[in-house]
Amino acid sequence: EVQLMESGGGLVQPGGSLSLSCEASGLSFSTYWMSWVRQAPGKGLEWVANIKQDGSEIEYVGAVKGRFTIYRDNAKKSVFLQMSSLRAEDTAVYYCATGPSSNYHDTRGHYFFGYWGRGTLVTVSS
Amino acid sequence: DIQMTQSPSSLSASVGDRVTITCRASQGIRSDLGWYQQRPGKAPERLIYAASSLQSGVPSRFSGSGSGTEFTLTISNLQPEDFATYYCLQHNTYPFTFGPGTKVEVK
Repeated sequence: EVQLMESGGGLVQPGGSLSLSCEASGLSFSTYWMSWVRQAPGKGLEWVANIKQDGSEIEYVGAVKGRFTIYRDNAKKSVFLQMSSLRAEDTAVYYCATGPSSNYHDTRGHYFFGYWGRGTLVTVSS
Repeated sequence: DIQMTQSPSSLSASVGDRVTITCRASQGIRSDLGWYQQRPGKAPERLIYAASSLQSGVPSRFSGSGSGTEFTLTISNLQPEDFATYYCLQHNTYPFTFGPGTKVEVK
């Protein structure tokens, strides 16, 4: 069974920093793009960042560019989101999700967000 | 950025009904579109990828169609577990963008 387990959420003051982790099990992690998607309380979904299997391609939504950094450690089957200069509008549940995989037999590895974690809540408030 | 719109924003339906949700993109996205279901307090789950391919394990009452700028998600024979919010996602061009969601409620 595939599991994505996020951790690291919590309460942080505006301007502060926080680092999120997502550990994968049950899949060949190094063959998947990985992503972060967030959802503000009572709002819709917002894509945040993508990272390719080997980290050679990274993309961010404009609202977090220069403040958030996505990176991965394939040996630890983990993807991370380092967040700095946090703002109230960054308050959200942060989900990690899988992207395309080079393992074509897994249909959830076709295109984006085939597997999701349960999310971790980040609250930015004084 | 590509804007995604969904209609309706909410709908009321009964078990056994056929429901259709429309998603429109502000510019052509080929078939680079997915549909996601989110139940309250839960993570989203993908139902459809590549606009019309049913995700394995998803009931066949869900179907998707469209390409370019207009897409539809159809739920035939609505079941109690289908009352949820549905989102479309375009992954043709960065930044990826989701539609605002369609809430399917019990009539």
